Amino acid sequence: AQKITQTQPGMFVQEKEAVTLDCTYDTSDPSYGLFWYKQPSSGEMIFLIYQGSYDQQNATEGRYSLNFQKARKSANLVISASQLGDSAMYFCAMRERAAGNKLTFGGGTRVLVKP
Amino acid sequence: GAVVSQHPSWVICKSGTSVKIECRSLDFQATTMFWYRQFPKQSLMLMATSNEGSKATYEQGVEKDKFLINHASLTLSTLTVTSAHPEDSSFYICSARGSGPSGETQYFGPGTRLLVL
Repeated sequence: AQKITQTQPGMFVQEKEAVTLDCTYDTSDPSYGLFWYKQPSSGEMIFLIYQGSYDQQNATEGRYSLNFQKARKSANLVISASQLGDSAMYFCAMRERAAGNKLTFGGGTRVLVKP
Repeated sequence: GAVVSQHPSWVICKSGTSVKIECRSLDFQATTMFWYRQFPKQSLMLMATSNEGSKATYEQGVEKDKFLINHASLTLSTLTVTSAHPEDSSFYICSARGSGPSGETQYFGPGTRLLVL
């Protein structure tokens, strides 16, 4: 079974609108962390946001927020007020303490922001 | 935030040669570094976990004799692709675990594009 699933291979979003990127995960470890990274065409992986399994509140970082629904095992990323520079690949990743804290990545979602 | 550098950023080499890629944590000490490989339009696949002062832990299916990892100090890990072949052409990315505004997180280097002719 896939540990991290991103069901949207690609999507368009209009500039200044919000977009939600889906991510579901599978783990039996009670202690885990969820990450979102942005990878522009240059290839660098840019850390966006982190949510710990014990965090009570949804994480927010500027225009990025994480909709953490623990019972559903989902950790969707919401980007508000999209900008042209948001066009990139977005990866959801999970770190499980029982797995030695290694990061496991989803397949990614390509976002293209239209002017 | 924490900065991780990688060198070289890209390399083209002939089949059969060895290529060394360096990964440095610039403003923090990283006891653990990770090496990933990414093929075009695919996700990152973990190759190995590099621990300072000890042998690397390789993921299943990754040849340890093919991909030599050395983590000699708290700020430097190297990946050597030995006797490279065209199928080794890929994007190699390292990351280091450090402290960030959200607690401990993993910061990535800019990656190294390897093309083996």
